[in-house]
Amino acid sequence: NAGVTQTPKFRVLKTGQSMTLLCAQDMNHEYMYWYRQDPGMGLRLIHYSVGEGTTAKGEVPDGYNVSRLKKQNFLLGLESAAPSQTSVYFCASSPGNTQYFGPGTRLLVL
Amino acid sequence: GIQVEQSPPDLILQEGANSTLRCNFSDSVNNLQWFHQNPWGQLINLFYIPSGTKQNGRLSATTVATERYSLLYISSSQTTDSGVYFCAVEDDKIIFGKGTRLHILP
Repeated sequence: NAGVTQTPKFRVLKTGQSMTLLCAQDMNHEYMYWYRQDPGMGLRLIHYSVGEGTTAKGEVPDGYNVSRLKKQNFLLGLESAAPSQTSVYFCASSPGNTQYFGPGTRLLVL
Repeated sequence: GIQVEQSPPDLILQEGANSTLRCNFSDSVNNLQWFHQNPWGQLINLFYIPSGTKQNGRLSATTVATERYSLLYISSSQTTDSGVYFCAVEDDKIIFGKGTRLHILP
């Protein structure tokens, strides 16, 4: 039982490049979330999903897209990366109450 | 939207001391959670506590929803308790506070 995993762990992008972050969970949770964490800040919700095939905007959705084609996977896409998207990205899943977090992806946009 | 304020922002204690961390929120919420982020960045859920009191070992939490605050108590602190403690509330979205950074000295 791996819990919540994130791929990749670290990535460097140039401004304008695109990439996809993958979150996978093996706990059969309905809810999945993507957050970003910046220095000295708490986590801010980017997008979330309440079930397979559904997505919704969080607090800071601009510049990101998501997809939940399979219940166990939640993908976060950056179509045209900007330096302001340099951050640590955390994925979480939940059965409806407690959230379980992945280890994070550190993204640097130059 | 809902505002979440945590206090104190920083706390330095000697091993063995007790501490109380506070989370105030500006409106009614559907639930509240406490998390610990260790020095390596890993986030662990401590309590799911929309109201009432819960205890787990040396940690306990109380949420008074009608007065819009929650408290996290840590007793007999250990160096492994160091890190940042976040509370997060949810109405239609999940909002995190900025955290309390706790440093336990050996």
